[in-house]
Amino acid sequence: AQSVSQHNHHVILSEAASLELGCNYSYGGTVNLFWYVQYPGQHLQLLLKYFSGDPLVKGIKGFEAEFIKSKFSFNLRKPSVQWSDTAEYFCAVTAPGGTGGYNKLIFGAGTRLAVHP
Amino acid sequence: KAGVTQTPRYLIKTRGQQVTLSCSPISGHRSVSWYQQTPGQGLQFLFEYFSETQRNKGNFPGRFSGRQFSNSRSEMNVSTLELGDSALYLCASRVGDSPLHFGNGTRLTVT
Repeated sequence: AQSVSQHNHHVILSEAASLELGCNYSYGGTVNLFWYVQYPGQHLQLLLKYFSGDPLVKGIKGFEAEFIKSKFSFNLRKPSVQWSDTAEYFCAVTAPGGTGGYNKLIFGAGTRLAVHP
Repeated sequence: KAGVTQTPRYLIKTRGQQVTLSCSPISGHRSVSWYQQTPGQGLQFLFEYFSETQRNKGNFPGRFSGRQFSNSRSEMNVSTLELGDSALYLCASRVGDSPLHFGNGTRLTVT
């Protein structure tokens, strides 16, 4: 079965530190990849997505992610975090299945990031 | 354009009862997905509906069911509630394979 693994459940950083959150998926076929963020008390929002093309994708708020097909990875990065980046981050991948080839979205367990001023 | 709307926001039920949650997708979105979010488990996929048909299903027991209406609104039902069903239930809508747009969720507490 397809799955998504996020290596860190909790990350604590100081402001201006660099961030890298790991994400690996298990599926050998074509995938669409996403990072979502959930700020405290808010709904899940899309940070960035990869469908095809340049494996380095840039999202909102200075976030970027790199798709490395050979490693089945889609790690999220930000050069300098801010206190306002405190949130939970979810990696997600589409997996084939269902009628008409539509894909269901499978999420990782999430990484809670706390940024201290 | 209004976002995904879920009602109610909070719900407290007793073991053995049943519950129905409602979701109104973004206008024009015909696909509605449901997820269960619990601490440490992340988001677990329940099912996805498109044009009133369930087209994907996760690994949840038959107590969890759903349906979609002709106006794309969706409901999720959980029968014979168990303590472990306490969670945040999220609904999301999309067009084709575009990213999901999530609602604020319904927080279900089973006592």
